[in-house]
Amino acid sequence: GQNIDQPTEMTATEGAIVQINCTYQTSGFNGLFWYQQHAGEAPTFLSYNVLDGLEEKGRFSSFLSRSKGYSYLLLKELQMKDSASYLCAVRDLGFQKLVFGTGTRLLVSP
Amino acid sequence: SAVISQKPSRDICQRGTSLTIQCQVDSQVTMMFWYRQQPGQSLTLIATANQGSEATYESGFVIDKFPISRPNLTFSTLTVSNMSPEDSSIYLCSLPGLAGNNEQFFGPGTRLTVL
Repeated sequence: GQNIDQPTEMTATEGAIVQINCTYQTSGFNGLFWYQQHAGEAPTFLSYNVLDGLEEKGRFSSFLSRSKGYSYLLLKELQMKDSASYLCAVRDLGFQKLVFGTGTRLLVSP
Repeated sequence: SAVISQKPSRDICQRGTSLTIQCQVDSQVTMMFWYRQQPGQSLTLIATANQGSEATYESGFVIDKFPISRPNLTFSTLTVSNMSPEDSSIYLCSLPGLAGNNEQFFGPGTRLTVL
């Protein structure tokens, strides 16, 4: 079976750092993705991890621990435009389809 | 990166009718995926559309309700049949990244409201 969990909602202040966690239990694993989705828009790709460790890309970083079934997305120097939903997704082994978590709604306040 | 377009971008439909959503890609791809996003929810995979073979449906989705066509490597359609208000969702097509690129691309989505 597939089970991917994220917090439902988080709030943070402009300029701060926030960490969004994702835990997963899946039958196969071929990488973990993070997407950002603004209301009314399609998801946009943020990061991809397939090996353990930290991937950094500007203000956003993503971490993976395969043995723990755990990932996080770290957002630094938060801006108002970072208010969005953040979706964690695991890619199935061999079929390339993505299984999505419940999504985390992030609200950044001034 | 791939360019994906979907038609229509949005529609309002009456209960009991059907709507066909088109997805056009600017490059040839073997696999295309159709997702549904119900209001306030995350994305759920409906089916995988393979060129030249029947679509593969996920648990809870059936061909009679969501028939899919895949006539060539750049185009697919998803039909939402005999609609009810519970079918009100955003429908998105998606494709895997090109070789060496792990990004998975999404179309702009079709926002469907069923009255």
